[in-house]
Amino acid sequence: EVQLLESGGGLVQPGRSLRLSCAASGFTFNNFAMNWVRQAPGKGLEWVSGISGIGGSTYYADSVKGRFTVSRGNSKNTLYLQMNSLRAEDTAVYYCAKDLRPSKNIALAGPPDYWGQGTLVTVSS
Amino acid sequence: QPVLTQSSSASASLGSSVNLTCTLSSGHGNYIIAWHQQQPGKAPRYLMMLEGSGSYTKGSGVPDRFSGSNSGADHYLTISNLQSEDEADYYCDTWDSNARVFGGGTKLTVL
Repeated sequence: EVQLLESGGGLVQPGRSLRLSCAASGFTFNNFAMNWVRQAPGKGLEWVSGISGIGGSTYYADSVKGRFTVSRGNSKNTLYLQMNSLRAEDTAVYYCAKDLRPSKNIALAGPPDYWGQGTLVTVSS
Repeated sequence: QPVLTQSSSASASLGSSVNLTCTLSSGHGNYIIAWHQQQPGKAPRYLMMLEGSGSYTKGSGVPDRFSGSNSGADHYLTISNLQSEDEADYYCDTWDSNARVFGGGTKLTVL
């Protein structure tokens, strides 16, 4: 059974940093691209970042480019999101999600087919 | 980069059918899209991937009541025999070699 468990959320002041983790199990982690998707309170889903499997090419939404860094620890089956220079508008539930197909090319990996339960990040003074 | 447009809300009666629409922006009509369901207070759930040919591949455990189709730039999620648990937000998404994008979501109310 595929399981994704996010952690690391919390209350943080504007301008500070936070690192999210997503522990994965039930599939061969290093074969699959992974994503971070967020949802601000009362709003829709917003893709934040993605990372391919082996090779680890990274991709970012314009809204976080230069501030957020996605990485993966394939030996620990864990996905990370390092968030720096946080802003109030980064307040959201952050979900990790696994892509459908094993692929080195993110364009061929398909949609997210499993989602974690999310972790809440609140940026406020 | 493609843009996905969804109606903000829809409603239908218990036991009836409803079509939710996701429209791809001009020039991106050949993109594959996917549908996700988000029930109140829960994480999203993958429903299906809908290819340009109109064929679709559903996620594990998705009831037969859910199906997909398309016509040009319009991609449809059809839910038959609506149940109370189908009341949820429905999002479409697509992707390319650089990014993924979600539609704004449709809030479905079951009357």
